[in-house]
Amino acid sequence: AQKVTQAQTEISVVEKEDVTLDCVYETRDTTYYLFWYKQPPSGELVFLIRRNSFDEQNEISGRYSWNFQKSTSSFNFTITASQVVDSAVYFCALRAISGTYKYIFGTGTRLKVLA
Amino acid sequence: DTEVTQTPKHLVMGMTNKKSLKCEQHMGHRAMYWYKQKAKKPPELMFVYSYEKLSINESVPSRFSPECPNSSLLNLHLHALQPEDSALYLCASSPGLTNTGELFFGEGSRLTVL
Repeated sequence: AQKVTQAQTEISVVEKEDVTLDCVYETRDTTYYLFWYKQPPSGELVFLIRRNSFDEQNEISGRYSWNFQKSTSSFNFTITASQVVDSAVYFCALRAISGTYKYIFGTGTRLKVLA
Repeated sequence: DTEVTQTPKHLVMGMTNKKSLKCEQHMGHRAMYWYKQKAKKPPELMFVYSYEKLSINESVPSRFSPECPNSSLLNLHLHALQPEDSALYLCASSPGLTNTGELFFGEGSRLTVL
């Protein structure tokens, strides 16, 4: 079975604080892809990053960084110096090569950044 | 701006009405998806079209009827809906069904069934 767990339902931080959103996944496939999406109040899911199972390099993009650890089946997302515009719901998702190619979404973490 | 366009953005309908949601993309993608998202929940897959043929139907009630008239358009026809069908309906596309890249989402159509 494939599963994505985002244990943090809601997080509130004050602007300029760093915040880490956790994502833990389960899959028996050796080849799979992990994603993070941002969903602002407008509704659209905005793609942030894709990582394949063979690439454990961490990635940094501006204030965003991602830590992928296969040993713990985690793909965590850190926002440095958070801003009010970061307020959104963030979804972690898994897509395996086998089966129906479905994207498995976590339940999402609502981030509130307070001014 | 999103490259997947959904109309209408908001829709209110009665349980006896017939309405349609529309989705359009011009990225040349050959897979298109309908998702339903209830408040504070993740998107749930409803249908997937690949090369204009229905590939996945997640046991969705027949009051939802998808249609893919061509490679750029995806419709969702609604008839005799229930209040519990009120949700955000998201359309998405990807280059192909087996493509391992990201999904491209529209902004969604927010549906209220009275």
